[in-house]
Order: sequence, then C-alpha cells, then structure tokens
Amino acid sequence: ETGVTQTPRHLVMGMTNKKSLKCEQHLGHNAMYWYKQSAKKPLELMFVYNFKEQTENNSVPSRFSPECPNSSHLFLHLHTLQPEDSALYLCASSEPQDTQYFGPGTRLTVL
Amino acid sequence: GNSVTQMEGPVTLSEEAFLTINCTYTATGYPSLFWYVQYPGEGLQLLLKATKADDKGSNKGFEATYRKETTSFHLEKGSVQVSDSAVYFCALSDRGGSNYKLTFGKGTLLTVNP
Repeated sequence: ETGVTQTPRHLVMGMTNKKSLKCEQHLGHNAMYWYKQSAKKPLELMFVYNFKEQTENNSVPSRFSPECPNSSHLFLHLHTLQPEDSALYLCASSEPQDTQYFGPGTRLTVL
Repeated sequence: GNSVTQMEGPVTLSEEAFLTINCTYTATGYPSLFWYVQYPGEGLQLLLKATKADDKGSNKGFEATYRKETTSFHLEKGSVQVSDSAVYFCALSDRGGSNYKLTFGKGTLLTVNP
C-alpha cells in the first residue's frame, strides 16, 4: 500500500534542533490528519485539515507546527521538542466523512 | 464522550487456532466501526469496517459484526497464521461537526506461534 507516504521513516533529533516531517497522499483525498502513537497509550489525534484548512487542533503544544500547502501534502514542523515527544507520528488521509488511510509513520527519538 | 474498550493483551495462539478479540464501544448516534492492524515497524492498515447495525465486515479471513444491542464489534478468525502476528486496533468514527474523527482502543497484541 503506497497511497500515503511519510518521510523520513526514522528521525533522531536533539532538543534544540528544528526538523520537519512530511506526508504525501496519492489517493485524491481532501482531508489529512496527524496522529501521535506512544507506547502503551491509545492513538492521539493531533491535527485535522479539510481542504487545506485546519479544522482541529487537539490541544497540541506549539512546539509542533503543522502546515498543509495543498490537499496532497502535510508537514509537521518540530522545534525545541522534549524527550517525552519521542513517539511514532502517523499521517492519514480520507475523503471528508469517510474511511482514513494511514502512512507507515515516522519514528521520532528526541535526545 | 465516545470510547472504545478492547480486551487486554497480549494474546498468544498456536497456528490454526480460533481467534476472538473483543471490542465494545460507547458512542452517541450511529458510528461506523473499524478494525485496523499494525504489523511490526509499520503504520496502521484498514482491516475491515461496518457502517451500520448488523453489517458484517470481512477481509483476509477476519470478520466482525456490528452489534448495536450489545455495542460490540468483536474480531474473529477461524484459523490464524503466523503472519497474522500484529497489533489490532478497534476504532469508531465520530461524525461530529466538520470532522470525521476516529476514537481508537488501546490495541491488542496478537502473537501466533508455529
């Protein structure tokens, strides 16, 4: 399944670094999502974009900054992260009000 | 609010054994229900879904029936294989507002031994 791709697959960064995660979907969808998956916790929805507009911010700290330049691309800009931000970050896409399809995720480690 | 409760894992079975992973939910309205599977080192893949009461979702030998009266969506497979080893997530949709949000259970780790 290559409908939703994410890069990089693995990322190690220090707390003072700035990095970005990229997600691209080839399914023609108009909604895109960022999720955080931490060990022993349910998946946490972070952001939702519908037709390039942010429609949900689930009380995410400002050190995470999303960007959706078009319906096919979604970025998550990271700066001054904390070690507890280490997790698997998953991107998903869907038609609005329809089934979500996930990418493979970026495994982030913050030192 | 909405919630999904899955049976605690891990679940360990021998190949060709029967699998049941229980899932119950709490929701307002009439959500759609999903099972996603996550293989080691990968993202979530949609396994099956059901959009209304009494619907049965099926895929790759897995089945789940949307039971409104018991608010359940249990996952079953008659004969598991080693390749089914993965984490399974039950989820429901929430059509509130302009978003289509998923609420996930905590996941159940399945290990199938040869």
